[in-house]
Amino acid sequence: DGGITQSPKYLFRKEGQNVTLSCEQNLNHDAMYWYRQDPGQGLRLIYYSQIVNDFQKGDIAEGYSVSREKKESFPLTVTSAQKNPTAFYLCASSKRSTGSGGELFFGEGSRLTVL
Amino acid sequence: DQQVKQNSPSLSVQEGRISILNCDYTNSMFDYFLWYKKYPAEGPTFLISISSIKDKNEDGRFTVFLNKSAKHLSLHIVPSQPGDSAVYFCAASAKGGTSYGKLTFGQGTILTVHP
Repeated sequence: DGGITQSPKYLFRKEGQNVTLSCEQNLNHDAMYWYRQDPGQGLRLIYYSQIVNDFQKGDIAEGYSVSREKKESFPLTVTSAQKNPTAFYLCASSKRSTGSGGELFFGEGSRLTVL
Repeated sequence: DQQVKQNSPSLSVQEGRISILNCDYTNSMFDYFLWYKKYPAEGPTFLISISSIKDKNEDGRFTVFLNKSAKHLSLHIVPSQPGDSAVYFCAASAKGGTSYGKLTFGQGTILTVHP
């Protein structure tokens, strides 16, 4: 089945540690996105990539980094510089950039908790 | 600056009645609007969309209305069913400007449909 796979589903991190969340898609989509969900704040865009080897900062990129070396993969690293990393992280992809009306397909999310 | 706003954090309706979820936006460059449905600990799933060239789009029990002059859209669910209980997010995208290539989400509205 085609879809988006995020791992791990749950992750615990000590303060000061970097962690990497995996996102893989087999939908042959060009664009991929990372969102963060916090209670009462909806989904906020961290980073997005419209093609391989290119990505742009979203609205809350500070303390995060990404790479897009392959079309299928868009890992997100939460660095120790992220002041409040505990959240639910969602990866998404679309056939084309949502600037032209593309629908997003989401993974099931990864919940990160900083101890 | 919240460009997409859902001012009602929650809505409670009786099974069989109409559910109306509202969304306002401020960015006049937005030209494509989507509604997503989300269950706890899962990724959002696409529900229905509308282009700015239309004022209504219908899909089964779901209808989205767009009022461009008021920068307002609404999602109507008729009849509402208990399985519709979820968080509903409004989202918007633009063909140009700083919002090009990404979806901007509202804060979400928790819909509860009582049997």
